[in-house]
Amino acid sequence: DGGITQSPKYLFRKEGQNVTLSCEQNLNHDAMYWYRQDPGQGLRLIYYSQIVNDFQKGDIAEGYSVSREKKESFPLTVTSAQKNPTAFYLCASSIGVKETQYFGPGTRLLVL
Amino acid sequence: AQSVTQLDSQVPVFEEAPVELRCNYSSSVSVYLFWYVQYPNQGLQLLLKYLSGSTLVESINGFEAEFNKSQTSFHLRKPSVHISDTAEYFCAVSESAQGGKLIFGQGTELSVKP
Repeated sequence: DGGITQSPKYLFRKEGQNVTLSCEQNLNHDAMYWYRQDPGQGLRLIYYSQIVNDFQKGDIAEGYSVSREKKESFPLTVTSAQKNPTAFYLCASSIGVKETQYFGPGTRLLVL
Repeated sequence: AQSVTQLDSQVPVFEEAPVELRCNYSSSVSVYLFWYVQYPNQGLQLLLKYLSGSTLVESINGFEAEFNKSQTSFHLRKPSVHISDTAEYFCAVSESAQGGKLIFGQGTELSVKP
């Protein structure tokens, strides 16, 4: 089955800890995206990547980092600098940056 | 800067009744428009999209939306809803020149009651 997988489904972070959220796609899409979802605020773009080894900041990149070493993988690290990390994180991909985006099932991050 | 406003945060409706979820956007250039649906604790699924051509677009499960350029709106409608339509619905816009960057509305929670 082709699609986007995100793991884990739930993730717990301790104070001062960095955590990494996984996003993998087997759709052969060039572009990948990370969004944060908070209740009543819709989705906000954190980072996106148009091609391997390239990525750009979105609207709320502070406290986050990404890498794009392989076409199928776009992991997101939530660093200790992100003071309010509790949210639902969604990964998406598209054939190209002007094409329709398809979403993974999401990871819910909670702070202990 | 472009923005998207979904005018209703919650829409309760009885089964088999019609429903309209409203979406307005602001942009000075041509846009692509999308509606996504999200079921509890799941990712977003594309419901329908407007890229060009006919201003009325339809989904396979009975939803439709009409692009109205003069009113900068892209309202979502269904003539008869089912319990299974209960979900959160997001309107999104992408400026065709920028490509890739989706701006989302705040979401509308549709609750269908028996």
